[in-house]
Amino acid sequence: NAGVTQTPKFRILKIGQSMTLQCTQDMNHNYMYWYRQDPGMGLKLIYYSVGAGITDKGEVPNGYNVSRSTTEDFPLRLELAAPSQTSVYFCASSYWTGLGLEQFFGPGTRLTVL
Amino acid sequence: ELKVEQNPLFLSMQEGKNYTIYCNYSTTSDRLYWYRQDPGKSLESLFVLLSNGAVKQEGRLMASLDTKARLSTLHITAAVHDLSATYFCAVDALTQGGSEKLVFGKGTKLTVNP
Repeated sequence: NAGVTQTPKFRILKIGQSMTLQCTQDMNHNYMYWYRQDPGMGLKLIYYSVGAGITDKGEVPNGYNVSRSTTEDFPLRLELAAPSQTSVYFCASSYWTGLGLEQFFGPGTRLTVL
Repeated sequence: ELKVEQNPLFLSMQEGKNYTIYCNYSTTSDRLYWYRQDPGKSLESLFVLLSNGAVKQEGRLMASLDTKARLSTLHITAAVHDLSATYFCAVDALTQGGSEKLVFGKGTKLTVNP
């Protein structure tokens, strides 16, 4: 299993540009999440999905959009990039063990908006 | 809203010494998670603590959970350089849609000096 994969690893955007961060998991997990991590901070939840076709906002959704057309893929879209979106973005998938969440993280995408 | 606080946020210690990282959370939860993040890397699951009084140990790390005090500790015994990393605790919560999510602390950056 490749686990959770993300592309690209690094990206520099100009203000106002748009891009899609890709996330794929091959573990057949229903739950998927997008987080952002800013320096010295924990992870903040941007969007999450509980299954194909179902998405919902997390704590910091403004400026982002997601879709979940398949179980495997959960892309994150930035429409009009702003410097405040400079961050490291982590995708994660998880399943409920019956006792707790087992969450697996991708390697991250480091995004700089200039 | 659930808040998760870790302290200290930065910890510099000598090899061979012992220390404890604390994780407090603001509302009732029976499940707490510890993760490790190496610089430039993703998060790796260390421990899942599922009930009051739970204690888990792996190598020089031992985690415990007191749900009544809403406190988890991560104890480091006889630190070695390889333990240098950022450690996050996270607590189960429910999204507005009723799904499970994790709320993360800001992390404790541990540096172990020779």
